Amino acid sequence: EVQLVESGGGLVQPGGSLRLSCAASGFTLSSHWMHWVRQAPGKGLVWVSRITGNGVEATYADAVKGRFTISRDNAKNTLYLQMNSLRAEDTAVYYCTRDTRYDGHPSFDYWGQGTLVTVSS
Amino acid sequence: EIVLTQSPGTLSLSPGQRATLSCRASQSVSSSDLAWYQQKPGQAPRLLIYGASSRATGTPDRFSGSGSGTDFTLTISRVEPEDFAVYYCQQYGYSCFFGQGTKLEIK
Repeated sequence: EVQLVESGGGLVQPGGSLRLSCAASGFTLSSHWMHWVRQAPGKGLVWVSRITGNGVEATYADAVKGRFTISRDNAKNTLYLQMNSLRAEDTAVYYCTRDTRYDGHPSFDYWGQGTLVTVSS
Repeated sequence: EIVLTQSPGTLSLSPGQRATLSCRASQSVSSSDLAWYQQKPGQAPRLLIYGASSRATGTPDRFSGSGSGTDFTLTISRVEPEDFAVYYCQQYGYSCFFGQGTKLEIK
């Protein structure tokens, strides 16, 4: 059974840092690109970042570029999101999600339960 | 940047009625890269449709997707009680974008 379990969320002051983890099981992590998607309280889904299967290439939304870093350790079956210079507007539930290609069509087929990050003084 | 605009913002229907949800892109997108997700309160999103019209594993056949270019539609032929949720369209590209969501609520 495919499972994605996020951890590392919590309360942090503006300007602070936090590292999120996403433990993957039930599939070969290195075979899939992975993403982080966030959702502010009561708001919609916003894509944050993507990383290729081998971890060589990463892409970021403009809102987090230069502040967040996505990485992965395939040997540990874990995806990470290092978040620096956090702002109030980064407050959200952060989901890790698996990228897949059914018939060549990309989508996010499995999602974790999310971890809440609250940026506040 | 591609902007996906979903309409209506809220759709109020009774069980058994037909639901039509719209997703309009600010520029033409490949149908291959358009997906729909369902999200219920307190839960993670769930993939419903990929490639604009293909049902994901476990998606009931009352759900169908269609469209091309800038206009895409998610249709629920007869809404069931478990279908009341928020629905998001998504465009997958170098950056990925979601629409703002359509809330399907019980009338």
